[in-house]
Amino acid sequence: GQQLNQSPQSMFIQEGEDVSMNCTSSSIFNTWLWYKQDPGEGPVLLIALYKAGELTSNGRLTAQFGITRKDSFLNISASIPSDVGIYFCAGHGSSNTGKLIFGQGTTLQVKP
Amino acid sequence: GAGVSQSPSNKVTEKGKDVELRCDPISGHTALYWYRQSLGQGLEFLIYFQGNSAPDKSGLPSDRFSAERTGGSVSTLTIQRTQQEDSAVYLCASSIYTGELFFGEGSRLTVL
Repeated sequence: GQQLNQSPQSMFIQEGEDVSMNCTSSSIFNTWLWYKQDPGEGPVLLIALYKAGELTSNGRLTAQFGITRKDSFLNISASIPSDVGIYFCAGHGSSNTGKLIFGQGTTLQVKP
Repeated sequence: GAGVSQSPSNKVTEKGKDVELRCDPISGHTALYWYRQSLGQGLEFLIYFQGNSAPDKSGLPSDRFSAERTGGSVSTLTIQRTQQEDSAVYLCASSIYTGELFFGEGSRLTVL
C-alpha cells in the first residue's frame, strides 16, 4: 500500500533556530496535511495542502505540496519552546479511498 | 459538540476481556476514522466510515476488532478477547467528507 517516509525521525535544536522536516512517497498523493501532537493529546491540524506546488503559511509555519505530488515539507521559523512535540505528515493517496495515511513522525525538542 | 469526544479516556482490562471504545464526532461531520497509536509510534489506520458504512476497514488487525457507526454519528470500536499487544492509544477523528481530520484526545487501553 501507499506509505509516507518522514524525516528526520528526531531533532534537537536551540531556541530561535529554524527547522525543516519532510515527507516523501513513491506514489502520488492528492492532499498533504501536517499535524502536531503534544503528549497525552490527539494530533492537531497545522496546515492543509490541496494543490501541487501550493505553498501555505500559518504564522511561523510554512508548508509546501511538492510539484511531483510525491513530497511535502514543513518549515518552522524562529523556534520557541512550545514548538516541542511530534510532527506528523499525512496524505490522501491517489486511490481516493478516503483513508488518510500518516508518516512516522518527527520528534522536535527545543533547548531554551 | 465542539470537538471529537472519546470515552473512556483510560481503560485497564484483563487479558481475554472484551472492551468497547466510544467516539462522538463533531456534529455534521460525515466521515469518522479510527487509528491506533502504540507507545512512541505513528498512527496506524484501522477503519473509516462515510455515514454508517465502512468503505475501508483494511486496517483492522484481526477479526477480534470490529467497529460500527449508527445514525451517522456515534461510533463504537469493539475489541474482543483482548491481548497484551492491543495495549495502545485508540484515536478517533472526524471530517467533513474525507478532507481535514480533527482528532479526539484518544482512549488509552492497557491490557494486563
